[in-house]
Amino acid sequence: DIQMTQSPSSMSASLGDRVTITCRASQDIGNYLSWFQQKPGKSPRRMIYGATNLAAGVPSRFSGSRSGSDYSLTISSLESEDMAIYYCLQSIQYPFTFGSGTKLEIK
Amino acid sequence: EVQLVESGGGLVQPGRSMKLSCAASGFTFNNYDMAWVCQAPKKGLEWVATISYDGSSTYYRDSVKGRFTISRDNAKSTLYLQMDSLRSEDTATYYCARLDWELYFDYWGQGVMVTVSS
Repeated sequence: DIQMTQSPSSMSASLGDRVTITCRASQDIGNYLSWFQQKPGKSPRRMIYGATNLAAGVPSRFSGSRSGSDYSLTISSLESEDMAIYYCLQSIQYPFTFGSGTKLEIK
Repeated sequence: EVQLVESGGGLVQPGRSMKLSCAASGFTFNNYDMAWVCQAPKKGLEWVATISYDGSSTYYRDSVKGRFTISRDNAKSTLYLQMDSLRSEDTATYYCARLDWELYFDYWGQGVMVTVSS
């Protein structure tokens, strides 16, 4: 199975900060990497797919990038509504596997 | 508007069965692969199973193989998850999700809670 190692597990940042969350894949997953945002009591929301593509309706302050087996989600200027847990997901091979999640809190 | 509405959850005893449903609307259901994803209380997301658009192919995580069955009724635009021999570790919120043509999850239901306890 492909392991997705996500870091950090939690972080606290100030409004306006640039924030980066990373997932490392244990095998080649190409660009089959998505990022999801989940707020308390809510369903996951797709933010990024294909490693770098912004999902419909997602603010442009969110972006995705790839460097080798490392995939990153960046928020260019943190807003209060971005407080949530973020998960990565590889969908190149079954079983699909999620990262363990990053809890993002606002200072 | 794409909508996915799960139903059928609740409290069930260990070893018993439960069937979840996911009613889809707002898109051509039989054009899309569909999946179930679960989330144990206070835990992360786990993929459970996927079924192809025509039901000809199914995929499962190891921990549910032989116990869970994913199926669909394209005439009713409904996805199902039959869960047999339930265990306490199956306690979770179960989400149905749509996969786009590149197998990226795009839409999710609101989730349904399943509690396995005596």
